[in-house]
Amino acid sequence: GAVVSQHPSRVICKSGTSVKIECRSLDFQATTMFWYRQFPKQSLMLMATSNEGSKATYEQGVEKDKFLINHASLTLSTLTVTSAHPEDSSFYICSAWAVLRGRSSTDTQYFGPGTRLTVL
Amino acid sequence: GENVEQHPSTLSVQEGDSAVIKCTYSDSASNYFPWYKQELGKGPQLIIDIRSNVGEKKDQRIAVTLNKTAKHFSLHITETQPEDSAVYFCAASLAGGTSYGKLTFGQGTILTVHP
Repeated sequence: GAVVSQHPSRVICKSGTSVKIECRSLDFQATTMFWYRQFPKQSLMLMATSNEGSKATYEQGVEKDKFLINHASLTLSTLTVTSAHPEDSSFYICSAWAVLRGRSSTDTQYFGPGTRLTVL
Repeated sequence: GENVEQHPSTLSVQEGDSAVIKCTYSDSASNYFPWYKQELGKGPQLIIDIRSNVGEKKDQRIAVTLNKTAKHFSLHITETQPEDSAVYFCAASLAGGTSYGKLTFGQGTILTVHP
């Protein structure tokens, strides 16, 4: 299947600093990527939809000035957590639709391995 | 918007038994229903998906059934093995053509397979 990577896999930072997480589609182009947050023993919560070349669409309750999303190319989306606080500590996961036209398996959404953010 | 309910929240089976996880969805426009397996500290891994134009799909020990009328779909795992132990999530979305919508996830099921 298609591959989505994330970097870094783990990050620990001090309160008040900013952290950037990268999401890359390795073998396909993704005009749309999604960013999720997952707290322990909970389901994935969609934060925003990242659109290549345009502004991201944020879900209700997600602060767009705190979670900056940039989708500068068809293979890269970044999430920057600005002025991070301990309550931002979570598992952040990105995903992208892989449109595999012409194959027996068609459009499918694949997830990255996730980034564990710990804010001290 | 779409709402997905998943049951049970935990499921414990003996190795070799079957496991069934059920989900219901609310939006009749949804046409894509994937199932993901998530191991501790990892991202979700797609294990099987089904689209609304079919009622059942099977891949070795894993099968998914879809009832569009009742708006529910189920994951069936046969001959379970300890390595099947993980959290399983169902999801629903509108996909295809020029529309690639966001996934709405169920609450997750913790599956434990005892040797």
